[in-house]
Amino acid sequence: GQQVMQIPQYQHVQEGEDFTTYCNSSTTLSNIQWYKQRPGGHPVFLIQLVKSGEVKKQKRLTFQFGEAKKNSSLHITATQTTDVGTYFCAGLPGTASKLTFGTGTRLQVTL
Amino acid sequence: DAGVTQSPTHLIKTRGQQVTLRCSPKSGHDTVSWYQQALGQGPQFIFQYYEEEERQRGNFPDRFSGHQFPNYSSELNVNALLLGDSALYLCASSFDRWDTEAFFGQGTRLTVV
Repeated sequence: GQQVMQIPQYQHVQEGEDFTTYCNSSTTLSNIQWYKQRPGGHPVFLIQLVKSGEVKKQKRLTFQFGEAKKNSSLHITATQTTDVGTYFCAGLPGTASKLTFGTGTRLQVTL
Repeated sequence: DAGVTQSPTHLIKTRGQQVTLRCSPKSGHDTVSWYQQALGQGPQFIFQYYEEEERQRGNFPDRFSGHQFPNYSSELNVNALLLGDSALYLCASSFDRWDTEAFFGQGTRLTVV
């Protein structure tokens, strides 16, 4: 079956440092979504990428979708303590709406 | 506008028992998906309901079943509970489109003892 892996599993940064998480799918995706889950919370939608090579920005967050539509990345510039949480990518393998979540990257930010 | 609501928020059951979890989707959404999230893991897709029918299913045994009602709300039933069923159960609602975001409820924390 389809597998979606993320690296790193965990990253601890000082506030102000940058952070990147990488997402790799075993199969080609029709689109990829990113979610953030705060400790004790539920996943919250951040963004969706659909086109090959697509890049989208949300303030300090930059999302990329690979040319082959099998990988993606999320980059946070100048992290803040409010960025703490686990970031999941979630891929759609086709036009069916069965999201396959990645393994997640837990981000810890300290002052 | 209420988002996705799930009940109960926490539940403790004994091995072998049966449990029913409930979900009310976000207003206007017609598709409900259920996920199981073990501690430290990503959500795992259980199944999805649309027009009161199970449309897709993940790799979960038949002990996991569900239902969708005409008002789009949904239930997840788990029979013969095992210790390994302890997890956060998340309900997500969306429109019936492949390129739409999912809105998650706060989840039901199930503990099997």
